[in-house]
Amino acid sequence: DGGITQSPKYLFRKEGQNVTLSCEQNLNHDAMYWYRQDPGQGLRLIYYSQIVNDFQKGDIAEGYSVSREKKESFPLTVTSAQKNPTAFYLCASSIGRGNTDTQYFGPGTRLTVL
Amino acid sequence: GNSVTQMEGPVTLSEEAFLTINCTYTATGYPSLFWYVQYPGEGLQLLLKATKADDKGSNKGFEATYRKETTSFHLEKGSVQVSDSAVYFCALSGSQGNLIFGKGTKLSVKP
Repeated sequence: DGGITQSPKYLFRKEGQNVTLSCEQNLNHDAMYWYRQDPGQGLRLIYYSQIVNDFQKGDIAEGYSVSREKKESFPLTVTSAQKNPTAFYLCASSIGRGNTDTQYFGPGTRLTVL
Repeated sequence: GNSVTQMEGPVTLSEEAFLTINCTYTATGYPSLFWYVQYPGEGLQLLLKATKADDKGSNKGFEATYRKETTSFHLEKGSVQVSDSAVYFCALSGSQGNLIFGKGTKLSVKP
């Protein structure tokens, strides 16, 4: 089955720690995205990538970093510089960046700072 | 900039009632419009989409029509079921290839 996987499902971080969230897709999609969801809010774009070894900042990139070394993988690192990281993180992919392209979402990772 | 406004929730309906969730947008150019659904603790699933004015998207009994003259994309379903209880997000395509989301509307359907 083709799809997007995210791991772990739940993640707990201590103050001052960096953590990395995994996102893998086997849909052969070129574009991948990271969104953050807070309670009662829509999703906000953190980073996106159109091709391997290239990525761009979204609306709320401060305190986050990404890499795109392989087409199928787009990990997100939440650094200690992110002041309020507790949120639900969603990874998505689409075949391209055309405005008609559907984005497919993973099941999400819930990050909690202790 | 581009933005989406959808009706505040929560919305509570009885089974078999008619559903409307309002969505209006502000955008330059010709964005595509989407409705996504999120079940508790899960990611988002595409419900339907429309890529140009007057297009009607439909899926699983849900419908929405892209109205450029009123900048709207309201979601409707003629008869809701308990299994439709979820959070519904209206979204439009952004210039970065991303999606711009509304804040979501929580729907609860009672038997």
